[in-house]
Amino acid sequence: DAKTTQPNSMESNEEEPVHLPCNHSTISGTDYIHWYRQLPSQGPEYVIHGLTSNVNNRMASLAIAEDRKSSTLILHRATLRDAAVYYCIPQIYNQGGKLIFGQGTELSVKP
Amino acid sequence: EAGVAQSPRYKIIEKRQSVAFWCNPISGHATLYWYQQILGQGPKLLIQFQNNGVVDDSQLPKDRFSAERLKGVDSTLKIQPAKLEDSAVYLCASSLNVAGATNTGELFFGEGSRLTVL
Repeated sequence: DAKTTQPNSMESNEEEPVHLPCNHSTISGTDYIHWYRQLPSQGPEYVIHGLTSNVNNRMASLAIAEDRKSSTLILHRATLRDAAVYYCIPQIYNQGGKLIFGQGTELSVKP
Repeated sequence: EAGVAQSPRYKIIEKRQSVAFWCNPISGHATLYWYQQILGQGPKLLIQFQNNGVVDDSQLPKDRFSAERLKGVDSTLKIQPAKLEDSAVYLCASSLNVAGATNTGELFFGEGSRLTVL
């Protein structure tokens, strides 16, 4: 399985941008990269996903390295509500497209 | 649009008892997942269904856990007999696209069922 490496925790100040890194050096060329987040006492929530080129949506941006061995989730202006655990997850194409969660990065946002 | 519904939200049982969790996915979603999340860890995939067939159950402890998805809609996850280490939140998720496609798109998760085994 493709393995991911994320920092255990990060801190940010409110209204500042946040860059959450993820290394996935063993990802294959057909595995999409998904990001989910989990707020306390809730199920995970989809944030964004992509394959090769950078992706934007109303929640965040996803920057994927040209060699696809790493990616960065960008929250343009952090709010207190963005405090959560963020998971970077390769979607394994040759295993039915399943999503295998790792430990994630716990993001705290200071007012 | 209604989300993924799960019940019960909380369940406390003694070890060696049995328990069942129910999940109603978003209407029209072909793929359904059950995850187990132990406190402090990321969710662990237990089983993945496409319609009413099993795509992947490699991480399901089949000596005590069973799951079914009759008619390709609702799903039930059962544990019998429960052990102390089964204490966890059981999360159900669904996605519109077909499992095995290169991109199943967004997974929608329910709020989970918290199990405590004493």
